[in-house]
Amino acid sequence: QITLKESGPTLVKPTQTLTLTCTFSGFSLTTSAVGVGWIRQPPGKALEWLALIYGDDDKRQSPSLRGRLTITKDTSKNQVVLTMTNMDPVDTATYYCTHSPYPGFYFDYWGQGTLVTVSA
Amino acid sequence: QSALTQPPSASGSPGQSVTISCTGTNSDIGGYKYVSWYQQHPGKAPKLLIYEVTKRPSGVPDRFSGSKSGNTASLTVSGLQAEDEADYYCNSYAGSNNLIFGGGTKLTVL
Repeated sequence: QITLKESGPTLVKPTQTLTLTCTFSGFSLTTSAVGVGWIRQPPGKALEWLALIYGDDDKRQSPSLRGRLTITKDTSKNQVVLTMTNMDPVDTATYYCTHSPYPGFYFDYWGQGTLVTVSA
Repeated sequence: QSALTQPPSASGSPGQSVTISCTGTNSDIGGYKYVSWYQQHPGKAPKLLIYEVTKRPSGVPDRFSGSKSGNTASLTVSGLQAEDEADYYCNSYAGSNNLIFGGGTKLTVL
């Protein structure tokens, strides 16, 4: 059974760096056939894809946020970490961690999501 | 890359069929077979309904079906049920390692 859970701060100040951790179980992120992605959703708004990392360390990022995002994995801990720099109030959103089979570019398992608020 | 275009709302009575469209360009929907659809109930995480345009994950009722014509993908919900009332999002690969979502459609079961 595949499960994913996001963790991190619920409140960050503008200009700070956000670090979110996805801890997963039920699969191993050690092959190119499996990926973990991040997707966010501002309150009342649509979903937005952020980044994706595969087991062979192949990384993909949203062009609109390139330069602000870093995605890494720790296979020994079954974790994927997303960092986003220079946070702004418009980055207030629920951030979801997802499982993504390669090369389908879809998300078949989702974490419960974590709400991050950016405010001074 | 702009978001894919979905109608903000759709509706139908129980038992009817409803189709939700998702319009892109030949650089995303029209250029690849990687279109997926998600259902999201209020306060819940999205759920995968359709992937690779027409494929259904195990456990998803066959009342949900996907298709594509040119730059437009569609999700059809047949035999509408009360529990189908939710927000629906499409997603497509857009080349250059980019993925884009639609703006979402709120489906109301009358």
